[in-house]
Amino acid sequence: DQQVKQNSPSLSVQEGRISILNCDYTNSMFDYFLWYKKYPAEGPTFLISISSIKDKNEDGRFTVFLNKSAKHLSLHIVPSQPGDSAVYFCAAKQGGSEKLVFGKGTKLTVNP
Amino acid sequence: EAQVTQNPRYLITVTGKKLTVTCSQNMNHEYMSWYRQDPGLGLRQIYYSMNVEVTDKGDVPEGYKVSRKEKRNFPLILESPSPNQTSLYFCASSPDRVETNEKLFFGSGTQLSVL
Repeated sequence: DQQVKQNSPSLSVQEGRISILNCDYTNSMFDYFLWYKKYPAEGPTFLISISSIKDKNEDGRFTVFLNKSAKHLSLHIVPSQPGDSAVYFCAAKQGGSEKLVFGKGTKLTVNP
Repeated sequence: EAQVTQNPRYLITVTGKKLTVTCSQNMNHEYMSWYRQDPGLGLRQIYYSMNVEVTDKGDVPEGYKVSRKEKRNFPLILESPSPNQTSLYFCASSPDRVETNEKLFFGSGTQLSVL
């Protein structure tokens, strides 16, 4: 049973526009959420996170929004740049657990 | 340079031939973990270790072994590899328990093919 779902395998946007990547989760015990970015031939790198006590966290061009009632989070990238082209993984964990649960990933392509 | 180093980057082997993928981190991290990435399945945790001599199963531990004799090293052992273990493997580490520091640092990956 997939607890973290990224239903869009791919997304294509124009440079300068907003990229919105979505993630849904089923486990209401999750209390911390993260986004990782992965370039080809490299390991994933941490991008941004949010605690369940917040509904928004911003870091430069990247903002993560959390809607706990809908069990949904989204990553907004504004403005999108070609260098943002990568696979983005959503991950979640619950308090007391050592385990991060990852989604399948969404491949973002930002076209010049 | 702070990093997680995996070796080899690419490995082709045959069914049943024991192999070890090494992982080393130079950041004095307590927590280390192994993941596999498969198309359409994302990253799935194989094993993790919270400290030396402490290891535990992740979501997909079958067919794998690990050891944590030293803080910096966390090798992944496939005693009798099978074709369904063909995958991209990532080692990761974190300064502390994942519940207090969730930011994992990943290695560059090992692409394993089992024929």
